[in-house]
Parts: sequence; structure tokens; C-alpha cells
Amino acid sequence: DAGVTQSPTHLIKTRGQQVTLRCSPKSGHDTVSWYQQALGQGPQFIFQYYEEEERQRGNFPDRFSGHQFPNYSSELNVNALLLGDSALYLCASNPRQNYNSPLHFGNGTRLTVT
Amino acid sequence: SQQGEEDPQALSIQEGENATMNCSYKTSINNLQWYRQNSGRGLVHLILIRSNEREKHSGRLRVTLDTSKKSSSLLITASRAADTASYFCATALRAGSGNTPLVFGKGTRLSVIA
Repeated sequence: DAGVTQSPTHLIKTRGQQVTLRCSPKSGHDTVSWYQQALGQGPQFIFQYYEEEERQRGNFPDRFSGHQFPNYSSELNVNALLLGDSALYLCASNPRQNYNSPLHFGNGTRLTVT
Repeated sequence: SQQGEEDPQALSIQEGENATMNCSYKTSINNLQWYRQNSGRGLVHLILIRSNEREKHSGRLRVTLDTSKKSSSLLITASRAADTASYFCATALRAGSGNTPLVFGKGTRLSVIA
């Protein structure tokens, strides 16, 4: 049973560019959440998707957008990259019908903006 | 913003000793969860305690919750070198319904020396 998978594992981009990160949730999970984790900090909630719509959003600018597909996989897009966007981006999934269930995390995408 | 704050920020102990980490939070919660993160990888769920519970055990882990003080503690008994990781508390805020996002603290970095 595959857990949460994320791609790519590492990415280097230049300031001003755009990036797309991908996530496949754990089998049986329909809700995907994205988190940003700066070095030495805890994960910060970006947004959450289920039924192909953004349902909750954290304190992130509109440069951060997402999408969820019918197979529950998800993408995180970041436009006009800033140096401060360098971080580990984590995707997590859980089943919506048990909304207090623990999150299952992928191993993340390490984004470096130069 | 981060709801939970772990204390201490860093902890170094000898193998076989017990490790205690504390978490304080600000608002009413539905449940509190502890996660572990090995260096640069995804988070792994350890234990969940609901707001109406005071103590919970799982193997060498013991979690307590004091809602009057808005605090929780994680005790790892008989620590091993493999317990070396960062530990995060995360709170699920009390809400009427739906998938409220988990809010993470900044974490405690535990080093267990063999």
C-alpha cells in the first residue's frame, strides 16, 4: 500500500520563475493538505483540497495556488518565486470522513530559489 | 502563525534516559497530535490525544494533556539512538464541522547519544 508520494524530491529555481510540485495521496484518502517548512521551523499550512476544490487556506499570498484532480492527486504551483520561498514543501493526506484522523505525510520536495 | 510552542527547543540525552518535551497552545482544541521528523524527511504521526482525554500511552510514548493549562507533554522512556529526530506537536482547532487544518509548533530537536 503506497503512502503519500511527492515529486520531484529536489528542485532548484531562479527568482521570478514558476514551479509546480506534485503529490499523490495515500490509497483511500481523498483530502490533501500542503505545508511549507522553512529550515528549523515547523510546517506552516498553505491550503487543503478535497472534492477538487480549495477548502481551507493559510496565510499565504495568491502566488501560491493549487489543484486537485479526480483521482485525488494534487499540485502546488508557486509563481514569481522569491528567495524566501526556499523551503521543504510537504504534502499530507487523510480521509475526509474521519477529519480528525492523523495526517500521512510524503517526504517532501526541497525547493531552492537562487 | 504557529499555535503550539514546544519546549525545550533542543534536548540532548544519553541512551536509556527518558526524554520529556512540552507543548503549549493558545486556543481551544479538538485534539492534539505529536509527530516525529527525521532530518529533512516527512513527518510521521506518533500519537493523538483528544480534548476529553488526560493521558495516553503507545509503546514507549506517554502523552498527557491539560486543557486548563493549554499544555501537553510527550515522554519517551528508555530512549534509543534511533529516537534522534525533531518532535512536533500539532493542534486541531475546535470547529463546528469539517476538516480544520493541523497547526504545528516549531518543534523540539532531540539528540540521543549512544
